[in-house]
Amino acid sequence: DAKTTQPTSMDCAEGRAANLPCNHSTISGNEYVYWYRQIHSQGPQYIIHGLKNNETNEMASLIITEDRKSSTLILPHATLRDTAVYYCIVSGGNKLVFGAGTILRVKS
Amino acid sequence: SAVISQKPSRDICQRGTSLTIQCQVDSQVTMMFWYRQQPGQSLTLIATANQGSEATYESGFVIDKFPISRPNLTFSTLTVSNMSPEDSSIYLCSVDLGRAREKLFFGSGTQLSVL
Repeated sequence: DAKTTQPTSMDCAEGRAANLPCNHSTISGNEYVYWYRQIHSQGPQYIIHGLKNNETNEMASLIITEDRKSSTLILPHATLRDTAVYYCIVSGGNKLVFGAGTILRVKS
Repeated sequence: SAVISQKPSRDICQRGTSLTIQCQVDSQVTMMFWYRQQPGQSLTLIATANQGSEATYESGFVIDKFPISRPNLTFSTLTVSNMSPEDSSIYLCSVDLGRAREKLFFGSGTQLSVL
């Protein structure tokens, strides 16, 4: 599975959009981009995933560049409860390999 | 989603002993996975628990240290054997629900401290 690169940490003001970038330049054609988050002391929670097209659900939007070498997770209106570690994972198989993730701190 | 019950939720153990962690899912699943999360670190995949056959271990993990059972499609156990303080971690069970929407669903984990 392709490796991903994410910033170590980011801050976001409450109520503003949080845009979390992820680089996956070695992604191959059959690999999906998955986003999970982990709030302190809990198991990871699925957020969204996509292959080529942009995706949106009740939690977030996923924007994947045309060349698929990078993506951005967008939390449209961040709240304090969105403070967590966000993991971008690329996988074409059954396993998910987690990187270091981005610590997102939402501040009031 | 699914309901994953992981037991115990936490434990404090003495070095040299072993602990068996149980993972029960409320529906039949084909794929179950065990992860470890050391303090302040990301998740590391230990193994894939295969129903009816031996588990498939990732590099750096061996069956003697982390024996896994998968007797049916709803249950698995992970044993941490001959524990040392370096085994202090959160151990997480996860399942592939086989749905397009959600790749893996995670339990809340077992917090293990080894003294």
